[in-house]
Amino acid sequence: DTGVSQDPRHKITKRGQNVTFRCDPISEHNRLYWYRQTLGQGPEFLTYFQNEAQLEKSRLLSDRFSAERPKGSFSTLEIQRTEQGDSAMYLCASSPRLLNTIYFGEGSWLTVV
Amino acid sequence: KNEVEQSPQNLTAQEGEFITINCSYSVGISALHWLQQHPGGGIVSLFMLSSGKKKHGRLIATINIQEKHSSLHITASHPRDSAVYICAVLKGGGGADGLTFGKGTHLIIQP
Repeated sequence: DTGVSQDPRHKITKRGQNVTFRCDPISEHNRLYWYRQTLGQGPEFLTYFQNEAQLEKSRLLSDRFSAERPKGSFSTLEIQRTEQGDSAMYLCASSPRLLNTIYFGEGSWLTVV
Repeated sequence: KNEVEQSPQNLTAQEGEFITINCSYSVGISALHWLQQHPGGGIVSLFMLSSGKKKHGRLIATINIQEKHSSLHITASHPRDSAVYICAVLKGGGGADGLTFGKGTHLIIQP
């Protein structure tokens, strides 16, 4: 048990629908990351929060993607008007202030049909 | 060219063999992680290195900062070691973009 939980673990949705994933980091960790991983590839950075501030966004994060961390605790990643190319695993990770380690959630698998 | 390259991409070995997975990177880093990912997705951080060598059980990780290279070794390999091993670097320079990952090495240990 890594302590980072993600929900839902699996989501199948029709193209054009909106989906939202939630991440609950380890409680004392102020840094939270979202990554995307497709089959056979390593994870790719999407966005990063320090407390409630979104400090960095990848060019992979199109206008259809939005992430929030309203109270500096849990975070949500919303994908609007999903496309088949969005099918991937969305990984959340958190790390403490000292950046001495990082913990990953189990990931949320998205399949867009 | 990817900033983090791993070799080999795939490795099949017999139980008991000594395993080496290599990672080369082309950017300045403040730390390097070796991660283990099992089928189904969950990733576990095995080691975080900024210099030298670390050992945990049958796993050994080394890093050479000057050569921008790291290796992960598994001694007395076992079928339960079968997983994808991913090298990831935390870039230096104060960047806030988290980790940059290699594509992973898919390891299968046969009994």
